[in-house]
Amino acid sequence: AQSVTQPDIHITVSEGASLELRCNYSYGATPYLFWYVQSPGQGLQLLLKYFSGDTLVQGIKGFEAEFKRSQSSFNLRKPSVHWSDAAEYFCAVGAPSGSARQLTFGSGTQLTVLP
Amino acid sequence: DGGITQSPKYLFRKEGQNVTLSCEQNLNHDAMYWYRQDPGQGLRLIYYSQIVNDFQKGDIAEGYSVSREKKESFPLTVTSAQKNPTAFYLCATKGSIGTDTQYFGPGTRLTVL
Repeated sequence: AQSVTQPDIHITVSEGASLELRCNYSYGATPYLFWYVQSPGQGLQLLLKYFSGDTLVQGIKGFEAEFKRSQSSFNLRKPSVHWSDAAEYFCAVGAPSGSARQLTFGSGTQLTVLP
Repeated sequence: DGGITQSPKYLFRKEGQNVTLSCEQNLNHDAMYWYRQDPGQGLRLIYYSQIVNDFQKGDIAEGYSVSREKKESFPLTVTSAQKNPTAFYLCATKGSIGTDTQYFGPGTRLTVL
């Protein structure tokens, strides 16, 4: 069965500092990987996704993520954090195309940004 | 304007009452999903539907029921059998096989008093 671990429940960074959110997955084949962001009381917004090809994926809002098969990781990065990035971030792993059930989510990482 | 609509945004019910949460989409997506979100537990899948008149249980289906009579609509009923229904409920959709990305509605916060 597929699973996702986000080791950091809560991360605090200063505005302008760099950010890395960790995500480790367990899946028997090449997974589909996603990062979503959620502001309080809102739905989830897709930041980026990896299906195949280049292991460094660019997303919206200046975020990027790198797929490392050897480490079963898909860490999210941003070079300079803005106060508006404060939110909860979810990593998800998906089964291949054709599986309607698809996504398993991590438990999320709450990001606080200090002025 | 395309998107996923969930209503109401906030819902209060007395213990023992059934309640139905609405999810409507005009994206022409085939698959629809219901998730429950509790603090510190991420999202857990309740039910999903690939096509009209068909749906499958997810990981935590007990105490919930759904219907899919129209492609655009996938209502979720929280029954009195659900022991701890207070949570944030999220609806999602996915296009035809091959697109693989789920898109989420704004959510409904259900509080049972």
